[in-house]
Amino acid sequence: TQLLEQSPQFLSIQEGENLTVYCNSSSVFSSLQWYRQEPGEGPVLLVTVVTGGEVKKLKRLTFQFGDARKDSSLHITAAQPGDTGLYLCAGVETGANNLFFGTGTRLTVIP
Amino acid sequence: NAGVTQTPKFQVLKTGQSMTLQCAQDMNHNSMYWYRQDPGMGLRLIYYSASEGTTDKGEVPNGYNVSRLNKREFSLRLESAAPSQTSVYFCASRRTGGRFGGNIQYFGAGTRLSVL
Repeated sequence: TQLLEQSPQFLSIQEGENLTVYCNSSSVFSSLQWYRQEPGEGPVLLVTVVTGGEVKKLKRLTFQFGDARKDSSLHITAAQPGDTGLYLCAGVETGANNLFFGTGTRLTVIP
Repeated sequence: NAGVTQTPKFQVLKTGQSMTLQCAQDMNHNSMYWYRQDPGMGLRLIYYSASEGTTDKGEVPNGYNVSRLNKREFSLRLESAAPSQTSVYFCASRRTGGRFGGNIQYFGAGTRLSVL
């Protein structure tokens, strides 16, 4: 069983603050994805990172894939209440098709 | 523009009862998946179907069976429900091809199941 640990598990911040969520594993992945899940809904893909060291930006969200392709981070700048939700990382093993999901980080942004 | 549709949205069962969770996708995807989501554990794969006519076990298949009825539909059956199966169940389908090797999954809204 692949294990993707996310930290922190819970995060509550004020609107306008910055935050970083981490996703760590002892396994190497060919790619890593980040999803956001809102209450009562299924996860929705935010981004896929493929290359070790890759950095992708999606408006105020910055995603980084570790050089060794074992870890990733999500940084949100100037968080807004609309960023509230459960953030999940998911890794794809080389040569496989299934996703291994992380334990999740529940973010609450207080207005 | 339905995407992945799951029914029912909520269900309460008594221990030992059986039920089938339904899932249908209208995106012509080959692969479909069933996950369960429990607090602090992310999503865990129960079963998947790489294509019509094939099914394979995932990480936590015990107590479940699946049927890939056709390309659109993939059902999950609990033959004798147990309290440990209380969870939120998600169905997903996967787009093949594309830049990232076809690993973009699209999820339904989930079925919230309680087993008393």
